[in-house]
Amino acid sequence: DQQVKQNSPSLSVQEGRISILNCDYTNSMFDYFLWYKKYPAEGPTFLISISSIKDKNEDGRFTVFLNKSAKHLSLHIVPSQPGDSAVYFCAARAGGATNKLIFGTGTLLAVQP
Amino acid sequence: GAVVSQHPSRVICKSGTSVKIECRSLDFQATTMFWYRQFPKQSLMLMATSNEGSKATYEQGVEKDKFLINHASLTLSTLTVTSAHPEDSSFYICSAQAGGSYNEQFFGPGTRLTVL
Repeated sequence: DQQVKQNSPSLSVQEGRISILNCDYTNSMFDYFLWYKKYPAEGPTFLISISSIKDKNEDGRFTVFLNKSAKHLSLHIVPSQPGDSAVYFCAARAGGATNKLIFGTGTLLAVQP
Repeated sequence: GAVVSQHPSRVICKSGTSVKIECRSLDFQATTMFWYRQFPKQSLMLMATSNEGSKATYEQGVEKDKFLINHASLTLSTLTVTSAHPEDSSFYICSAQAGGSYNEQFFGPGTRLTVL
């Protein structure tokens, strides 16, 4: 049972435009959400996160929006740059005493020059 | 950010042999380390959580006798894949976390295991 889903396996965007990556989850007990960027044969690198008590967090070109009622979050990258091309994973923290992360299936973003 | 290394980065072994993968936190003390596995074009799946000095907690469906985890110090955790088979071929990634349960996890670069 996939508790965190990224329904778009890939996304292609023109340089300078906005990239919007989506993520849905099923467990209302998740208390924290994170976005990671990953290149092939490398580990994920942290991008941005949001607490379940917020609905928006912004860091430079990256903004994460959380809609708790819809159990949906999105990552906006604007303006998109070719160096942003990578696989993006959303992850949810299970809450409680552990810091277990449950990852989505990833979206491959290609930013075209 | 903090640096986590893994060794080896790539390993090829024969079926039936055991393989040890090391995960080190280079510039901080990791009270908790996590081991993930990623199959091609799939998500990272948590295999187990290890706390320094105690037994690892395995996720449902992960065989603890096959995937031995040792977290003997605050900077080193090892994953040993025992009697490896071709279906164990995967990308194994560790992450390390300092302090309390809400601290950030820092990921290693991963280890590509190929079992022939």
